Order: sequence, then structure tokens, then C-alpha cells
Amino acid sequence: DAGITQSPRHKVTETGTPVTLRCHQTENHRYMYWYRQDPGHGLRLIHYSYGVKDTDKGEVSDGYSVSRSKTEDFLLTLESATSSQTSVYFCAISEGALTDTQYFGPGTRLTVL
Amino acid sequence: AQSVTQLGSHVSVSEGALVLLRCNYSSSVPPYLFWYVQYPNQGLQLLLKYTSAATLVKGINGFEAEFKKSETSFHLTKPSAHMSDAAEYFCAVRVNTNAGKSTFGDGTTLTVKP
Repeated sequence: DAGITQSPRHKVTETGTPVTLRCHQTENHRYMYWYRQDPGHGLRLIHYSYGVKDTDKGEVSDGYSVSRSKTEDFLLTLESATSSQTSVYFCAISEGALTDTQYFGPGTRLTVL
Repeated sequence: AQSVTQLGSHVSVSEGALVLLRCNYSSSVPPYLFWYVQYPNQGLQLLLKYTSAATLVKGINGFEAEFKKSETSFHLTKPSAHMSDAAEYFCAVRVNTNAGKSTFGDGTTLTVKP
């Protein structure tokens, strides 16, 4: 298994509070991704990173920000959580962008009350 | 922009029967196509991928898929279902004009009956 961990694995928070999710990899892969998974919507890309300090938006980036100060860590921040951000969040990594396999972390279940 | 449509959100087969999960894509440029499997409370795991080499792609656990450009399809098959195949399956597409960002289908839940 690819070395990807996500923390926390579960979190319950209240509307309006800031939340940061962490993804940590031990594979030294260049690309890192944050997805959210909601019933009936598959996975949707929030943000991704193609190197340290290099990030770009995905299809559902509103309300989220990311940072990558080290190769191994990719942080996802919800500045002011809303109930619509209740979801399961997955981190993924890959060596390259187009044809390389994406390896997924175990997920973080976030509930915003 | 690329897109993926998975026909049938739920598929049920008997153990030993053929598994067929359908995926159609839309892309104005050559696509790269992927099938992933997700078991309950786990992340996604790659089953197989098409990267413009052979059109018939073999993956793990006895699954295979065939890229058919004329039908814009990439259906996933397995000759004989096993109970352990019960999971959710996702088709995904990437193209080089969109910085390699993946677009996923909505998923198909496979149930295997004894």
C-alpha cells in the first residue's frame, strides 16, 4: 500500500468554525490531490498540487484553500465550515499527472452541524 | 471539457455470472481512462487503466476493459463474479488539455448474490 495517511479520520464541527485536514505521504510523489465524495456524485476534485507551493483549483474549490510547504504534506482548509461541506474527503497522490496511477488515502469523514 | 457517464447506479449479479459495468466518456481529445474500486470505508484502488496502448486492458482480480473509440465506451467486465467483488466501482477520465485533472463518474454499486 502507498504510504498515505489522513488526519483526522473523523471530525464533527460547527458551522462557521475553521477546519484543517492533513494529508501526509511517504512516497515522495510530486502530485497530491484533495477530493470530496458525496452520495450520487462520485469524487469531485477540490484542489491539487503539482509541487511544493504549486497548487491549482479543481471543480469544487469555492470555500476551500490548500497549502503545500513540504513535499510530503498537503493541507486542506475550510475557512468557515458550512453544512454543505459535510462530506468524506480523500487525499490522493501520483508521480505524474496524466497516466500515472493515483493512490488514495483512507479518507476523512467531516460533519458540519 | 471531459465527462464520464456510468450507466446504472446499482448492478446485481449472481455469484459466477458475468459482470458488466458500463462507462461512456465524452472528450474532444484522446482520453486516458481508469477504473477504480472502493470497498466500504476505504479509499479507491486502481483496477486498470487505458493509456493509448492496447485497447483491451487487463487489471487486477480478473477484471478487464475494452476501449472502443467508435462507441466512446470503456466498459468493465469479469467473466465470473465472486462474492468479494461486491463494492462500488468508479470510471474516470483524464485528458492532457486539462492538466491531467481526473473527472469521475458517479459510481456503480455491484451486489453479488450467493
